[in-house]
Amino acid sequence: DVKVTQSSRYLVKRTGEKVFLECVQDMDHENMFWYRQDPGLGLRLIYFSYDVKMKEKGDIPEGYSVSREKKERFSLILESASTNQTSMYLCASSERGVRQPQHFGDGTRLSIL
Amino acid sequence: TQLLEQSPQFLSIQEGENLTVYCNSSSVFSSLQWYRQEPGEGPVLLVTVVTGGEVKKLKRLTFQFGDARKDSSLHITAAQPGDTGLYLCAGGGSTSYGKLTFGQGTILTVHP
Repeated sequence: DVKVTQSSRYLVKRTGEKVFLECVQDMDHENMFWYRQDPGLGLRLIYFSYDVKMKEKGDIPEGYSVSREKKERFSLILESASTNQTSMYLCASSERGVRQPQHFGDGTRLSIL
Repeated sequence: TQLLEQSPQFLSIQEGENLTVYCNSSSVFSSLQWYRQEPGEGPVLLVTVVTGGEVKKLKRLTFQFGDARKDSSLHITAAQPGDTGLYLCAGGGSTSYGKLTFGQGTILTVHP
C-alpha cells in the first residue's frame, strides 16, 4: 500500500524560529508537493518538486523554502516562523504524468506562538 | 491562476437525503479529481474524470464532468452518516508535473 509519512502530527514553535517539516514517500514517485490547509480556503500549494533537487514555487511560497536531496524525501522549511503560518500542512506525492492522483500524508498541525 | 469555486461550503442533512456538491471554474481542466478527507487524515482520492460529459458512479456517489471541462458535480444518493467528511474537488493541468488546483471544500455532516 502507498505511504506518505509526515514526521510530526503536531508541532508547536515560537515566532522567529526556523522550522523543518519532513515528508517521506515509499512509492518512488517523481512529484512531491507541500500544501497548507486553512478553513474555507481549501488546499493551497506552497512548493512542489518534480525531481531530485528540482523545485518550483506554488501559489503561496513567501516565507517558505524546500529541499529535495533524495527522491523519497521532501522538506518544507519556515525560515523565520510567524504566527500567520499557524496552519495544517499536508505533503503529497504523485507519479509523473497528467491526471495522476496525489497521495497525501496525514498532515502536521503547526502552531506558531 | 486557475480558480475552482466549490459550493456549498457547508452541508448538514439527515440520513437518507440526497445532496449535490458543485465545482465551477472559468478555466478548462484536463481532468477533475474528487477527494474525501476525514478528521486527522489526509485527503483520499475518490474518482478522476477526464472526458467532457463523463459520468462515473461509485456506489451511491455519482460524479459528472461538464461538457466544456470547466465544472463538475458530486451527487450522493441516500446519504449515510459514514459519508460525513470534507469533500474536495481538484482540477488538473496539462503538464506532467501533476499540479492540481483545489476548491475550497465542502464539509458534509449526515445526521442519523
